[in-house]
Amino acid sequence: GESVGLHLPTLSVQEGDNSIINCAYSNSASDYFIWYKQESGKGPQFIIDIRSNMDKRQGQRVTVLLNKTVKHLSLQIAATQPGDSAVYFCAENYGTGNQFYFGTGTSLTVIP
Amino acid sequence: DAGVIQSPRHEVTEMGQEVTLRCKPISGHNSLFWYRQTMMRGLELLIYFNNNVPIDDSGMPEDRFSAKMPNASFSTLKIQPSEPRDSAVYFCASSLGGAGGYTFGSGTRLTVV
Repeated sequence: GESVGLHLPTLSVQEGDNSIINCAYSNSASDYFIWYKQESGKGPQFIIDIRSNMDKRQGQRVTVLLNKTVKHLSLQIAATQPGDSAVYFCAENYGTGNQFYFGTGTSLTVIP
Repeated sequence: DAGVIQSPRHEVTEMGQEVTLRCKPISGHNSLFWYRQTMMRGLELLIYFNNNVPIDDSGMPEDRFSAKMPNASFSTLKIQPSEPRDSAVYFCASSLGGAGGYTFGSGTRLTVV
């Protein structure tokens, strides 16, 4: 039979536009979140993190927003560039250890 | 720092053979994680170690999978016997704990035929 893979959300944006990538996390007890970027053939790379006592954190060209009420994270990328094309994952940490659990990812394509 | 180093980058093996994947974490990092990435399941945490001790192996699929960390600078993930459904990219990551998340290696792409 036909195998069914994960449905990977996709987002296409024009170069220079802003991008917003969304993530619904699973555990209301999660207290630390990280966004990762994965380029083709490479491992995930840390972008930005946020703790549950914050609702917004800014980095260079990126902003993460956290809405604990609805268990939602978003990653905003300003002035998107072709080099931003990748799969973006949110990851959540809960429990006593420092292990992270990853979402399914969103594929971002930047159109020059 | 060379980052997290995994070997081999690619492995093709026949069903039933033993496969050993290797990882060298970043020096000074005290936590090490093995993940598997497939189209079907995404990124799955298999096992992680703190200070060379396995803490949580609940993600290991079955007894065919085993992982060791004999010292702070080396870990292995072994599959014996391998099956075609084990085909995936296996990532190793390390961290110092606390803030900043992990540093991932480049992964080992395993194909079992």
